[in-house]
Amino acid sequence: GQQVMQIPQYQHVQEGEDFTTYCNSSTTLSNIQWYKQRPGGHPVFLIQLVKSGEVKKQKRLTFQFGEAKKNSSLHITATQTTDVGTYFCAGRLLETSYGKLTFGQGTILTVHP
Amino acid sequence: EADIYQTPRYLVIGTGKKITLECSQTMGHDKMYWYQQDPGMELHLIHYSYGVNSTEKGDLSSESTVSRIRTEHFPLTLESARPSHTSQYLCASSPWDSEVSYNEQFFGPGTRLTVL
Repeated sequence: GQQVMQIPQYQHVQEGEDFTTYCNSSTTLSNIQWYKQRPGGHPVFLIQLVKSGEVKKQKRLTFQFGEAKKNSSLHITATQTTDVGTYFCAGRLLETSYGKLTFGQGTILTVHP
Repeated sequence: EADIYQTPRYLVIGTGKKITLECSQTMGHDKMYWYQQDPGMELHLIHYSYGVNSTEKGDLSSESTVSRIRTEHFPLTLESARPSHTSQYLCASSPWDSEVSYNEQFFGPGTRLTVL
């Protein structure tokens, strides 16, 4: 069954509001990556987290990796219409082959101007 | 921008036809992947390869087959297409790294397949 769960599935926000998507794994992850897929496009790599408790920032985006390396979050401050798209987390499960990623279901973000 | 290409971008075909989806990358990456994605849904890994003559089935069972005769080329073939194969197929590649951590995947634009 699904080993990497992502919530919420959908999120509608007004431009300027904050947004957070959460990713939870049933097993410990070696690392976790985040991707963004614009409508009609393909996934584009955003960032990778490796260390327990790691926090990384990219402008308005903040990424966290949990202490137990089983969960992660992506937070966007003051959303803009350019943030529209689907955000996927993807983790490498410790017991899987090197390089294989398990993707979450994704969170579809809609930003209303 | 990553140099990974997929053709065709769109394909509408009748049931029972044999099809091959092409994927090529010019980055010299050893690892390549095929994902299947339905609209608004997650990506499911159907095949992957760690290098020439290496292919493995992914987490989602698929009737498709792949080959890796050249590093840059990773085609996917369906011997007899069915309506249940209608989906988007995404090809990706990533560099080999001796370190455990860094394996960002670069995705191609995808092929949207419709089987009538």
